[in-house]
Amino acid sequence: KQEVTQIPAALSVPEGENLVLNCSFTDSAIYNLQWFRQDPGKGLTSLLLIQSSQREQTSGRLNASLDKSSGRSTLYIAASQPGDSATYLCAVSGAQKLVFGQGTRLTINP
Amino acid sequence: GAGVSQTPSNKVTEKGKYVELRCDPISGHTALYWYRQSLGQGPEFLIYFQGTGAADDSGLPNDRFFAVRPEGSVSTLKIQRTERGDSAVYLCASSPTGGGGTDTQYFGPGTRLTVL
Repeated sequence: KQEVTQIPAALSVPEGENLVLNCSFTDSAIYNLQWFRQDPGKGLTSLLLIQSSQREQTSGRLNASLDKSSGRSTLYIAASQPGDSATYLCAVSGAQKLVFGQGTRLTINP
Repeated sequence: GAGVSQTPSNKVTEKGKYVELRCDPISGHTALYWYRQSLGQGPEFLIYFQGTGAADDSGLPNDRFFAVRPEGSVSTLKIQRTERGDSAVYLCASSPTGGGGTDTQYFGPGTRLTVL
């Protein structure tokens, strides 16, 4: 059974810092890995999708990497801003359904 | 609208009652998913539809939970004899094909269910 773990559970940093969020998964037989953002009381917004054959994806200040063999992914956020404050969720796709981690609650302090 | 919509946004019910939660996917998306998110946790898969049929219902916790998608568009999640442990946010998502790979799931805002 696929299990996804995110570390840390919560993170608070000053504005402007670069930061890394971590995600690990137990079964490397995945189709893709996605990073989502969730604001309080809202649904999930897809940030980046990395296919199983890819190593990384970039979108603006965000960069996500995937190491399937070791079962790890990282989300790098450059020059953090208060608007980046949210919960970040990692999810892996084995076929159609997604298996999510518990999320990292990120707070960027002005 | 262009996104996935869910109604109601909030539902409060009493233990033992029946509830229905509705999801309107993005137009043209053949795949539809239901997830449940408890406080402080990531979403957990419930059921996946490809067109009108439930292709994978392995996440439904018990036979009190049932979902339909009769015309391959709108879906309804039905919960009978609700229990306090059913309280959670129920999220719906849709994707163009359900084919894995680059097929991104787009999520609705969720329905917060509270069972008193």
